[in-house]
Amino acid sequence: GQNIDQPTEMTATEGAIVQINCTYQTSGFNGLFWYQQHAGEAPTFLSYNVLDGLEEKGRFSSFLSRSKGYSYLLLKELQMKDSASYLCAVRDAGLTGGGNKLTFGTGTQLKVEL
Amino acid sequence: EAQVTQNPRYLITVTGKKLTVTCSQNMNHEYMSWYRQDPGLGLRQIYYSMNVEVTDKGDVPEGYKVSRKEKRNFPLILESPSPNQTSLYFCASSLSPSTSSYEQYFGPGTRLTVT
Repeated sequence: GQNIDQPTEMTATEGAIVQINCTYQTSGFNGLFWYQQHAGEAPTFLSYNVLDGLEEKGRFSSFLSRSKGYSYLLLKELQMKDSASYLCAVRDAGLTGGGNKLTFGTGTQLKVEL
Repeated sequence: EAQVTQNPRYLITVTGKKLTVTCSQNMNHEYMSWYRQDPGLGLRQIYYSMNVEVTDKGDVPEGYKVSRKEKRNFPLILESPSPNQTSLYFCASSLSPSTSSYEQYFGPGTRLTVT
């Protein structure tokens, strides 16, 4: 099974940088995803890490350390539209299902203020 | 336009009345999945399908059924809905995990209320 922890809420200022952490425990790790979800809408894909290190994509970056069971999502030059819930999800390399069972954390609600 | 569609978007029903939520994708994805999202619990996987006629249980399969007779469709069936199945449901699809890109694309969601 999997256990995923991320902070419930964070607040940051427009134009600033914010780091959202995610720790996980899994019986078989096969990749970590970050999704963004605005209230009442579907989650949208932000990033994917399967190897250790930093993946950068515009204002968003994601880091993974498999030995520590740790990831973070870094958002730079924050904008008001970045106010949303950020979901960390871990793919399980289980014996069944071909390693595609995805478990989500409960999400971090980010509020960007002026 | 590449998308995942769900119907209905909103449904209010009564306990015990069978219902089906449809899900369809036009991206030729092998993998499809159903989730429910509840406050404080996040997204939890109900069932998933690796390909046609291949389905498997997620974390919360009790009270639900699925079928995958065609690649594009993955309906969620509640044979006898109960109030604890009141939730926001999302369908998602992706390429097979054996490929290099298998981010999941989510449908718009179905808000179900069972009274």
